[in-house]
Amino acid sequence: GIQVEQSPPDLILQEGANSTLRCNFSDSVNNLQWFHQNPWGQLINLFYIPSGTKQNGRLSATTVATERYSLLYISSSQTTDSGVYFCAVINTGTASKLTFGTGTRLQVTL
Amino acid sequence: DVKVTQSSRYLVKRTGEKVFLECVQDMDHENMFWYRQDPGLGLRLIYFSYDVKMKEKGDIPEGYSVSREKKERFSLILESASTNQTSMYLCASSFYGRTPYEQYFGPGTRLTVT
Repeated sequence: GIQVEQSPPDLILQEGANSTLRCNFSDSVNNLQWFHQNPWGQLINLFYIPSGTKQNGRLSATTVATERYSLLYISSSQTTDSGVYFCAVINTGTASKLTFGTGTRLQVTL
Repeated sequence: DVKVTQSSRYLVKRTGEKVFLECVQDMDHENMFWYRQDPGLGLRLIYFSYDVKMKEKGDIPEGYSVSREKKERFSLILESASTNQTSMYLCASSFYGRTPYEQYFGPGTRLTVT
């Protein structure tokens, strides 16, 4: 099946810093989503971005499907950004099953 | 706003009990999903349904069954709970189409089987 790798696995930032999270996938996809899992375990939808670039406030994302990667940018980080960020994809031709990466654990300190 | 709700946030059950986890969505989505999340193993698909009374096995269906009698409701059933089913269970829903739509998740149920 498709492999989804995220880097870095862990990231510690001071408040106000910027960061880039990366998601690499091993096959063609027709869905890619970025999620933030909060400390209570809920997955919050950040972006639905099978291709192109989107921005939402301090967050933006870019997916280059032909090169099989996606990037999530967090600017001016805040302590509320802490948590685990997941990339998830649907392999083309495999119905609607999301395959998740292993996540990037982000800690933003004061 | 899409809303996916799950019947319990925390649940403690004994080995051998029959356990029902319920999920309800209010967006008229055709697809509904059950995932479990475990440390070191990530999120894995248990079952999904693309229509009422329809179901498809995911990656780890053993020990589970599902029921979808109404479009908005999808139940996960542990026929005889075991300790290795202690986990975080997450329900999701999406529209159905030739191109997959965005999936939305509920708040999760942390199940402990003792």
